[in-house]
Amino acid sequence: EVQLQQSGPELVKPGASVKISCKASGYSFTGYYMHWVKQSHVKSLEWIGRINPYNGATSYNQNFKDKASLTVDKSSSTAYMELHSLTSEDSAVYYCAKGYEGGMDYWGQGTSVTVSS
Amino acid sequence: DIVMTQSQKFMSTSVGDRVSVTCKASQNVGTNVAWYQQKPGQSPKALIYSASYRYSGVPDRFTGSGSGTDFTLTISNVQSEDLAEYFCQQYNSYTFGGGTKLEIK
Repeated sequence: EVQLQQSGPELVKPGASVKISCKASGYSFTGYYMHWVKQSHVKSLEWIGRINPYNGATSYNQNFKDKASLTVDKSSSTAYMELHSLTSEDSAVYYCAKGYEGGMDYWGQGTSVTVSS
Repeated sequence: DIVMTQSQKFMSTSVGDRVSVTCKASQNVGTNVAWYQQKPGQSPKALIYSASYRYSGVPDRFTGSGSGTDFTLTISNVQSEDLAEYFCQQYNSYTFGGGTKLEIK
């Protein structure tokens, strides 16, 4: 059974960074892209970027290229997303999602990030 | 950016009915479209890829159609558990529609 287990909710101060994890199981981790998606009430769903776990190659939405950094640890089948210089606009739920046939066939449970002083 | 427009923010239907959710792309995306279902308090679930192919395990009451700029997700024999928000997505450059909330009367 494919599972994507994300790290827990985060409360962070403005200007800080946060790193979210997504541990994959039940499939070949290096065989499929891992996508990251932001969901907020303001802009609904936004694609942040994707990473190829096989070689670490990344592709970002231009709106997030200075905001997010995607990495993986193949040894633990875990994908990471670090968000930098956080503001209130970054408060949202963030999902990792396994790529398949262009879309995203399995999603993590989501990680809530709240930016507040 | 390619904009995906779901003009109907809310739809209401009854159990057993058929309902169609529409999505329009601002430019030709071929058949590079997926549909997702998000139930209250849950993560999105994949329904359709390549405009018309069901992901594994998706009931055949969910049907996708369209190409180019106009796409439709049709739910036949609507069930109470279909209460959810439905999103389209194009994956030429990965943008999502704004969502359509389906209410079951």
